[in-house]
Amino acid sequence: GIQVEQSPPDLILQEGANSTLRCNFSDSVNNLQWFHQNPWGQLINLFYIPSGTKQNGRLSATTVATERYSLLYISSSQTTDSGVYFCAVGYSGNTPLVFGKGTRLSVIA
Amino acid sequence: DAGITQSPRYKITETGRQVTLMCHQTWSHSYMFWYRQDLGHGLRLIYYSAAADITDKGEVPDGYVVSRSKTENFPLTLESATRSQTSVYFCASKDSGTRGIGSQPQHFGDGTRLSIL
Repeated sequence: GIQVEQSPPDLILQEGANSTLRCNFSDSVNNLQWFHQNPWGQLINLFYIPSGTKQNGRLSATTVATERYSLLYISSSQTTDSGVYFCAVGYSGNTPLVFGKGTRLSVIA
Repeated sequence: DAGITQSPRYKITETGRQVTLMCHQTWSHSYMFWYRQDLGHGLRLIYYSAAADITDKGEVPDGYVVSRSKTENFPLTLESATRSQTSVYFCASKDSGTRGIGSQPQHFGDGTRLSIL
């Protein structure tokens, strides 16, 4: 099945710094989502981005489907950005999402 | 309120007991999913359902039973709980869209933290 690799596995940032999280996947997909799991365990939809670029405030994401990767950018990080960021992809057809193992982000004041 | 709700939020039970986790969504989404989240494994799919009375196994279905008699509900049952099923369980739903399952985002509930002693 499809493989999803996220990097880095762990990231520590000073408040105000910028960061880039990467998601590589092993096959063509027609669904890619980024999630943030907050310290309370909730999974928050960040982006639905099978291709192209989207921005939402300090966060933006780019997926280059032909090269099988996606990037999540966090600018001017805040302590509330801490948590685990997951990338999940889905094939065309009837296959559900496959999740990467996540990037654990800690933003310190 | 509209959305997807899971109950209970926390559950402690003993090995060998039957336990059912509930999932309810108000969007009338066609697809519903159950995942478990464990350290070192991320989220893994247990079962999913494309519509009422249609269910399919995911990556880790052993020891679990699902049913979907109504579109809005997708309960997950552990028929005889084991310690290895201690985990956080997430339910999700998505619309079918016009371009197949892959073309719509999934939306997740807040999870059920299950401990089996």
